[in-house]
Amino acid sequence: KQEVTQIPAALSVPEGENLVLNCSFTDSAIYNLQWFRQDPGKGLTSLLLIQSSQREQTSGRLNASLDKSSGRSTLYIAASQPGDSATYLCAVFDSWGKLQFGAGTQVVVTP
Amino acid sequence: EAGVTQFPSHSVIEKGQTVTLRCDPISGHDNLYWYRRVMGKEIKFLLHFVKESKQDESGMPNNRFLAERTGGTYSTLKVQPAELEDSGVYFCASSRTGVTEGYTFGSGTRLTVV
Repeated sequence: KQEVTQIPAALSVPEGENLVLNCSFTDSAIYNLQWFRQDPGKGLTSLLLIQSSQREQTSGRLNASLDKSSGRSTLYIAASQPGDSATYLCAVFDSWGKLQFGAGTQVVVTP
Repeated sequence: EAGVTQFPSHSVIEKGQTVTLRCDPISGHDNLYWYRRVMGKEIKFLLHFVKESKQDESGMPNNRFLAERTGGTYSTLKVQPAELEDSGVYFCASSRTGVTEGYTFGSGTRLTVV
């Protein structure tokens, strides 16, 4: 049974620092991995989708890496801004397209 | 393109009542998923439609929950009768191809059963 863990559960950094969010999964037979952002009271916004054959994916200040063999993905956010404050969720796909989510990392970026 | 639309955004009902949640996926997306997050827990899968057919309903908690997808377009999730533990946020997501393109999620319906 797949289990997805996100560490840390919460993180507070001053504006300008880089953010490093970790995601680990127990079963390396995943298909893809998707990072989401959730703002309070809002839905999930897709940030990055990493195909199982890829090692990393980049979009602007965001970079996500994937190491299937070790069951890990890391989301890097460069030069954090107060607008980056949100909960970040990692989710892995099984072969049927079903997502298994982690509990999320709650990020606060202080001005 | 319009996103995934869910309504209502909030619903407060009494225990024992019936509630119906609706999801309109992105046009052309054959895959439609329901997920939910109950207080303090991770977001969990409920079920998956491919067009009008239920591909996987292994996450449905019990027979008080009934999901339909009429004509392969919008979907409804009915809870009858609602119990206190059904409170949470219900998310709908759609995808054209599923695994290869990822999902687009709706804003969710916050259900409170009192």
